Amino acid sequence: GQQVMQIPQYQHVQEGEDFTTYCNSSTTLSNIQWYKQRPGGHPVFLIQLVKSGEVKKQKRLTFQFGEAKKNSSLHITATQTTDVGTYFCAGPGTNAGKSTFGDGTTLTVKP
Amino acid sequence: DAGVTQSPTHLIKTRGQQVTLRCSPKSGHDTVSWYQQALGQGPQFIFQYYEEEERQRGNFPDRFSGHQFPNYSSELNVNALLLGDSALYLCASNPAGTLNSPLHFGNGTRLTVT
Repeated sequence: GQQVMQIPQYQHVQEGEDFTTYCNSSTTLSNIQWYKQRPGGHPVFLIQLVKSGEVKKQKRLTFQFGEAKKNSSLHITATQTTDVGTYFCAGPGTNAGKSTFGDGTTLTVKP
Repeated sequence: DAGVTQSPTHLIKTRGQQVTLRCSPKSGHDTVSWYQQALGQGPQFIFQYYEEEERQRGNFPDRFSGHQFPNYSSELNVNALLLGDSALYLCASNPAGTLNSPLHFGNGTRLTVT
């Protein structure tokens, strides 16, 4: 079955430093979604990428979808303490709902 | 506009017991999916309900069962609890007919099996 892997598992940064997490799928994806889960919270949808090579930005966050649609990345510029949490990528199942999630990258930010 | 609501928030059960978790989807959503999230891992798909039927199922044993009601709310039942069933159980909803739409998660139920 489809497998989605994320690296690194943990990232500790000083406030103001940049952060990047990478997501790799064992199969070609029709799209990829990114979610953020704050400590003690639930996953919250951030963005969906659909097109090969697509790049989307949300303020300090930049999301990329690989040309082969098998990998993706999330880059945060100048991290803030509000960025702490676990970032998950998710590949779609045969329909919405049955998504395959990676194990996430947990970001901690030291003020 | 209410989001996805789950109850209870926390639950402690003994090995061998049975548990029922409840979920009300976001207003306007008619499809409900259940996920299990173990500590330090990503959510794992259990099953999905639409039109009161189980439409898709992940790699979970038959001890895990569910139900969807006419008002789209859903229940997750787990029988013969094992210590390994301890996890955060997340309910997610999305509108039917929208391929790959974002999932809206509830706050989850933290189940501890002792």
